[in-house]
Amino acid sequence: GQQVMQIPQYQHVQEGEDFTTYCNSSTTLSNIQWYKQRPGGHPVFLIQLVKSGEVKKQKRLTFQFGEAKKNSSLHITATQTTDVGTYFCAAKTGANNLFFGTGTRLTVIP
Amino acid sequence: GAGVSQSPSNKVTEKGKDVELRCDPISGHTALYWYRQSLGQGLEFLIYFQGNSAPDKSGLPSDRFSAERTGGSVSTLTIQRTQQEDSAVYLCASSSMPGTSRTSYEQYFGPGTRLTVT
Repeated sequence: GQQVMQIPQYQHVQEGEDFTTYCNSSTTLSNIQWYKQRPGGHPVFLIQLVKSGEVKKQKRLTFQFGEAKKNSSLHITATQTTDVGTYFCAAKTGANNLFFGTGTRLTVIP
Repeated sequence: GAGVSQSPSNKVTEKGKDVELRCDPISGHTALYWYRQSLGQGLEFLIYFQGNSAPDKSGLPSDRFSAERTGGSVSTLTIQRTQQEDSAVYLCASSSMPGTSRTSYEQYFGPGTRLTVT
């Protein structure tokens, strides 16, 4: 079945450093979504990418969708303590379900 | 407006007992999803409802798990003869439309029900 792999599984950064998480699939994706889950909270939608090579920005967050639509990345510039949480990608290949990646847990050290 | 609500927020049950978890999606949302999240793990898809269509049950881990969605709104996830490995947070999400094969609509998650089987 569809598998979406995320790396790294964990990331510790000093406040102010950059952070990147990667999402990879062996099959072509219809689209990809990114969610953030704060500790003790539930996933919250961040963004959706649909087009090959698409790049979207939200303040310090930059989202990219690969040209082949098999991978995606989320980059955070100058991390802050409010960025702490687990970041999930979720991909759709054509069926109605979203397959969630394993997540990257970000810890920001003040 | 009101978001997705789930009840109970916490449930402790003895092994072998049945439990029912409830989800109230956002009004007007036609798609409803159930996920399971074990401690520190990712989201495991369980079941998907869309309007009056037959639900996609492909993620249910065993026949002890079942779900219903009455009137296209409220959904109940039932776990029969609970086992300790069923302990997890059960998350419900809804979206306004399921999307086409190329697009999706964002999912709005409820706060989850934390199930502990002793």
